[in-house]
Order: sequence, then C-alpha cells, then structure tokens
Amino acid sequence: EIVMTQSPATLSVSPGERATLSCRASQSVSSNLAWFQQRPGQAPRLLIYGVSTRATGVPARFSGSGSGTEFTLTISSLQSEDAAVYYCQQYNTWPYTFGQGTKLEIK
Amino acid sequence: EVQLLESGGGLVQPGGSLRLSCAASGLTLSSYAMGWVRQAPGKGPEWVSVISSNGGNTYYTDSVKGRFTISRDNSKNTLYLQMNSLRAQDTAVYYCAKGRSTSPSKNYFDFWGQGTLVTVSS
Repeated sequence: EIVMTQSPATLSVSPGERATLSCRASQSVSSNLAWFQQRPGQAPRLLIYGVSTRATGVPARFSGSGSGTEFTLTISSLQSEDAAVYYCQQYNTWPYTFGQGTKLEIK
Repeated sequence: EVQLLESGGGLVQPGGSLRLSCAASGLTLSSYAMGWVRQAPGKGPEWVSVISSNGGNTYYTDSVKGRFTISRDNSKNTLYLQMNSLRAQDTAVYYCAKGRSTSPSKNYFDFWGQGTLVTVSS
C-alpha cells in the first residue's frame, strides 16, 4: 500500500496570503494525484486531479504541482471560505490512499 | 444537476449486516466507474471498494475483503454496498463517489454524495 504523508498537520495563514501544502508518496504515483477539500460536516470535494488540473468550478487561486513522489497544493490570496482540511490522494495503485490531511486555518 | 444520494446506514450490532444504496440522478450511471469511501469519526477518508461501469471489475481494501460486496444496477441508476460481519472498526460515514471514466483503474473520482452514517455497536 502506498503511504501518503502530508505536511504540515495544521497551517495558519492570514487572508490574502499564500498557503503551501505538501504531500509525499512512499513510492511513485506518476501523475495520478488528486487534492480534496473538506469543510466541516461536508463531503470531500475534488479540487485538483492529474497533479495540476483544476476540477470544474474550482477557483484559479488553487494550483497543484509536483511529480513522482513530491507534490504541492498552493492556495494564493487566501479567503475565509478556504478554511478546511485538505487531503491528497493517489489513484495510481489500488488501494487508493489518502494523506492524513492538513487543516488550514485562516487567522 | 448531478446528485448522489446514499441511504441504508444506521445502528447495527457487531456481526450484523447492512446494505447501503447510492441513487444517482442527473447522470447515466452506466457510463462511469463508481466507488465507496468511508470516513471514521475524526479520521481521514479511506477507500473501501470500486467497481467498473459494467460491474465486471471490482476492487476491495484488504480489511473488508470477504465481508463487503459492491454491486450496481445500471437499469436503476443505483450503486450498492452489502456489508456483512460488521465490526466496530467499520463505524464511519460512507460516501459513494463517481469516477471520471468507465474503469476504476487509475481513475479519479470527481463527485461525491453527502454520505450515510454506519454505527456498529452493541
């Protein structure tokens, strides 16, 4: 099973600033990497797939990058509604696996 | 508007069974792989099972193999998860999710339902 490790566990950023979230895979997942946003009491929402492609309706301030085993989600110009837990997930090899999540707090 | 509506969750004793359903509207289920993801209280999500668009290919995470069965009825636009021999560790919100293509292999899942809670307790 591929282990996905996210850092940091919690991130506190002021509105308008940039947030950088990291995700590392225990082995290569090629470009089969997605990012999800989960607000309290809601289902996870797909933000990014294929490392860097935004899902339908996702604002342009969300961007993804990386390759192989190291990936980054960047949220530029943070807004209050971006407060959530963010998960990376690999879909290269079954069982598909999620990271443990990064909780993003808005100062 | 695409909707996935899960049902069938509830309280069940250890060793018991439940069948979850996921009714799709606003899309033709037969065009997509589908899956079930669960999330225990305060934990991250965990993939449980996925199924190809025609039901011919299925995958399960090790902890549910032999106990859970994923299936679909494309004529009813509905996905199922039969859960037997339930354990306390199966307690979670169960979400159904729609794949982007017909195969579950190397496929991302782009739309999720709101989930149904399964509680396994005596």
